[in-house]
Amino acid sequence: NAGVTQTPKFQVLKTGQSMTLQCAQDMNHNSMYWYRQDPGMGLRLIYYSASEGTTDKGEVPNGYNVSRLNKREFSLRLESAAPSQTSVYFCASSQRTSGIQETQYFGPGTRLLVL
Amino acid sequence: QKEVEQDPGPLSVPEGAIVSLNCTYSNSAFQYFMWYRQYSRKGPELLMYTYSSGNKEDGRFTAQVDKSSKYISLFIRDSQPSDSATYLCAMRDLTGTASKLTFGTGTRLQVTL
Repeated sequence: NAGVTQTPKFQVLKTGQSMTLQCAQDMNHNSMYWYRQDPGMGLRLIYYSASEGTTDKGEVPNGYNVSRLNKREFSLRLESAAPSQTSVYFCASSQRTSGIQETQYFGPGTRLLVL
Repeated sequence: QKEVEQDPGPLSVPEGAIVSLNCTYSNSAFQYFMWYRQYSRKGPELLMYTYSSGNKEDGRFTAQVDKSSKYISLFIRDSQPSDSATYLCAMRDLTGTASKLTFGTGTRLQVTL
């Protein structure tokens, strides 16, 4: 099992350009998440998808859109990149197994630099 | 004020030392507590979880939760250089259909030989 995979690993954009970050999981998890990680700010939730066909805003959704393409794939789109979106982006997935136990598994991250 | 506060460190200790990492939180709805470990340029990985006050032990690691004080800790005994990483606390309430987590900023730990 590959777990959670993300592409690309690293990307440089110019202000105003658009791009899509791809995420896929092979664990048959229902829920998927997009976070950004910035120094001194920790991990902040951008969007999440509780199940296939649903998406909801997290803490910092402005400037982003998401698509839950199917159960495996959850993409994050930047329509018009801004320097403030320079960050490391992590995708995660989870499945409630019993009671309240639910572990999020993270991908390796995408480093994005917006000039 | 952030919902979860965590000292960013860095914390430097010699090999074999006992390490104490801590988080405080303000949201009394948080019921499920986790510690994630993140190596440099990698994604976080779950280390321990607990959903009750008290201690939970797993090898050299002990997670402690004090809900009355809104304070959680992770203790690492006999620390090793391989423990050098950033440790993130995370927590959530029990509502909703997805596991929305609130993370601390992380504490960077360096274990020296």
